[in-house]
Amino acid sequence: QITLKESGPTLVRPTETLTLTCAFSGFSLRTSGVGVGWIRQPPGKALEWLALIHWDDDKRYSPSLKSRLTINKDTSKNQVVLIMTNMDPVDTATYFCAHRASPNGDYGTSPFDYWGQGSLVIVSP
Amino acid sequence: QPVLTQPPSASASLGASVTLTCTLSSGYSNYKVDWYQQRPGKGPRFVMRVGTGGIVGSKGDGIPDRFSVLGSGPNRYLTIKNIQEEDESDYHCGADHGSGSNFVEVFGGGTKLTVL
Repeated sequence: QITLKESGPTLVRPTETLTLTCAFSGFSLRTSGVGVGWIRQPPGKALEWLALIHWDDDKRYSPSLKSRLTINKDTSKNQVVLIMTNMDPVDTATYFCAHRASPNGDYGTSPFDYWGQGSLVIVSP
Repeated sequence: QPVLTQPPSASASLGASVTLTCTLSSGYSNYKVDWYQQRPGKGPRFVMRVGTGGIVGSKGDGIPDRFSVLGSGPNRYLTIKNIQEEDESDYHCGADHGSGSNFVEVFGGGTKLTVL
């Protein structure tokens, strides 16, 4: 059974750095083809993909946010960490992490098939 | 990169059927699209992937047989038959594009389904 759970601060001040942790179980980030992504959703708005890390430490970032994002994994702890710098009120959103796995064990296209419950982050002075 | 367009809202009566649409922008009509269900206050749940030939791969865990998909041209459809109260959710479509440092995952604006 695959589960993911996000954790981090609920309130962040403008210009601060946000660190979110995704703790997962039921799969290994050592397995070829497996990846964990971060997606956010501002209140009442659409989903927005942020970043993705693969089993081999390959990393992908949203072009519009690339300069502010860092994604890392700790395979021994079954965790993925997202760091977002210079937070702004427009970054207020629920942040989700999600699992994906290419059936061919490569970077091939695959859906985000398991998601966490989300972590609400409010950016306010 | 593709743009995915979804109507903001849809409604259907209990026990009826409804078809939700996700439209790919010009030049991307051969792309596969993933459907996600998001109940109020919850994280998204993968429903299934759809291409021009219909479902790709398997449905998500616990998705009932009442849910089905079709693909035609730039449109990707999610049909729900015999609608139940628990189907009232936001439905999102998503697609990935590119590879390596050019990879992006894009989502539509979502459709809010109301069960009457």
